[in-house]
Amino acid sequence: NAGVMQNPRHLVRRRGQEARLRCSPMKGHSHVYWYRQLPEEGLKFMVYLQKENIIDESGMPKERFSAEFPKEGPSILRIQQVVRGDSAAYFCASSPSNAYEQYFGPGTRLTVT
Amino acid sequence: QQQVKQSPQSLIVQKGGIPIINCAYENTAFDYFPWYQQFPGKGPALLIAIRPDVSEKKEGRFTISFNKSAKQFSLHIMDSQPGDSATYFCAAHAGNNRKLIWGLGTSLAVNP
Repeated sequence: NAGVMQNPRHLVRRRGQEARLRCSPMKGHSHVYWYRQLPEEGLKFMVYLQKENIIDESGMPKERFSAEFPKEGPSILRIQQVVRGDSAAYFCASSPSNAYEQYFGPGTRLTVT
Repeated sequence: QQQVKQSPQSLIVQKGGIPIINCAYENTAFDYFPWYQQFPGKGPALLIAIRPDVSEKKEGRFTISFNKSAKQFSLHIMDSQPGDSATYFCAAHAGNNRKLIWGLGTSLAVNP
């Protein structure tokens, strides 16, 4: 049973470009979460999605950031017009609908130059 | 305001020792408390988790102790090994609100 998959693993963008991060949850998991981790810090919640629904986006910056989890395909975290402060590791987690446990992918490390 | 406070920030033990990492929380609505292990360049891996209706849970060499009245919980690693050297995070969430609130992490080094 494959774990949570994220791609790309590393992404370099220049200031002002767009970044698209993808997450495929574990098989049978219908809940997806995105977290951001800055160096030497803990993770910060960004958004919680179920298929075709955003459940909680209280951790998402109001501008430039968006997330989706379509009926088919991976969940996408999109950052428009990236700035240097967006440089971080972005982790996706998934869980089954009837459990609290969240299982994490390997992360995407975004570097904005 | 850090809702989940974790200590110590770093910890060094000898092989075979029992490192203890502590976390404290304020929100009494929290009802799920997991611990994660993270190696450099990797994603967090779920180690063990506890609900507030039990005071202790063991899985292999990892034990969580939970003190509901003090709003504290801790991770004990028995017979620690150099391979346990990693960063450990505690976290919490409240009921159907599944967003995990994280501690800042403890960097553990186990010397051979």
